[in-house]
Amino acid sequence: DAKTTQPTSMDCAEGRAANLPCNHSTISGNEYVYWYRQIHSQGPQYIIHGLKNNETNEMASLIITEDRKSSTLILPHATLRDTAVYYCIVRQRRDTDKLIFGTGTRLQVFP
Amino acid sequence: EPEVTQTPSHQVTQMGQEVILRCVPISNHLYFYWYRQILGQKVEFLVSFYNNEISEKSEIFDDQFSVERPDGSNFTLKIRSTKLEDSAMYFCASKKEKLFFGSGTQLSVL
Repeated sequence: DAKTTQPTSMDCAEGRAANLPCNHSTISGNEYVYWYRQIHSQGPQYIIHGLKNNETNEMASLIITEDRKSSTLILPHATLRDTAVYYCIVRQRRDTDKLIFGTGTRLQVFP
Repeated sequence: EPEVTQTPSHQVTQMGQEVILRCVPISNHLYFYWYRQILGQKVEFLVSFYNNEISEKSEIFDDQFSVERPDGSNFTLKIRSTKLEDSAMYFCASKKEKLFFGSGTQLSVL
């Protein structure tokens, strides 16, 4: 699975958009970009995933560059409850495949 | 929304004792996992389980660890003889299309 690089930490004001970048320059054609988050020692929570098209769901939007070497997770209106560690994970979509978590980006949303 | 349930939320044990961590995956899920997170460290994969057998395990998952799905609803992780370094938060997860994690069992080995 391709390696990802994320900033260690970011701040965001409540109500503003939080844009979390991820670099995955060695991604291969059949690898997906997944985003999970972990709120203070709770179990990781699935947010969104994509292959090459931009994706949006009720939690977030995922923007993947045309060359697929980087992506951005967008939380359009961050709230205090979005304070968490956000993990960008690149992997193939095999049924039994494990997730390999890095250190992620610690997002702090402030009032 | 359906959820993965783990019990107990906290478990304290003496070194050398056996512990069993319990999980009830989401009912129509087919793939099951255990992960752990030592305080301040990354979430680490332990084992995946499908069709009543282990499909993959990590180097951490040595002979002291075992998993079982005894009755079609529960999924357990057993540590036969706990060590101090087994102290961690243990997360169960299950998947049909998306992976859902439980809220974890905090294991403290004294």
